[in-house]
Amino acid sequence: DVKVTQSSRYLVKRTGEKVFLECVQDMDHENMFWYRQDPGLGLRLIYFSYDVKMKEKGDIPEGYSVSREKKERFSLILESASTNQTSMYLCASSPEVLAKNIQYFGAGTRLSVL
Amino acid sequence: GNSVTQMEGPVTLSEEAFLTINCTYTATGYPSLFWYVQYPGEGLQLLLKATKADDKGSNKGFEATYRKETTSFHLEKGSVQVSDSAVYFCALSPSNTGKLIFGQGTTLQVKP
Repeated sequence: DVKVTQSSRYLVKRTGEKVFLECVQDMDHENMFWYRQDPGLGLRLIYFSYDVKMKEKGDIPEGYSVSREKKERFSLILESASTNQTSMYLCASSPEVLAKNIQYFGAGTRLSVL
Repeated sequence: GNSVTQMEGPVTLSEEAFLTINCTYTATGYPSLFWYVQYPGEGLQLLLKATKADDKGSNKGFEATYRKETTSFHLEKGSVQVSDSAVYFCALSPSNTGKLIFGQGTTLQVKP
């Protein structure tokens, strides 16, 4: 079974802190994604990566950056956390670029910024 | 542009009732369509998919048919169980992008 592991289930941070959310997948997938999930808005794509050291902006990249130094690991970085970044963050991976691919999700990290 | 619209929830049903969750989409080209489910405290998992017009996806008693003429992909189940209580997301993947665009999610609560 594909496993996507997010390092923390819950995080509480203060405004202005630098926050790292880590995601690791164990199936050698090329593609990895970061979403945020908010009530009534569904999932919105923040950043994605099709390969090591490669990244592309999604629909809501402002206030975030990412790092992919190794194929299995994709990190989401909040350079200076703000209260409007309080949300559920979901990581996903998929094995190929084609439109018919399936994404596999981690359990999510619920981040609260105080 | 590409977008997905789902019916608003929450949907509350009694066990063994019939379920329909409506989903319509706007897309250019020939997208693939998906239903994902999120059980409490878990991430999303694929429930079913359809890759071309008139395809029917099915899994665990759930079904959805890709209707190009009405741009819809409604989720149905003939007899729901308490264990089906979850949030259901309709999604599309635009042609050859590998990305997913999600609807806002519909919460289903099934009571015994």
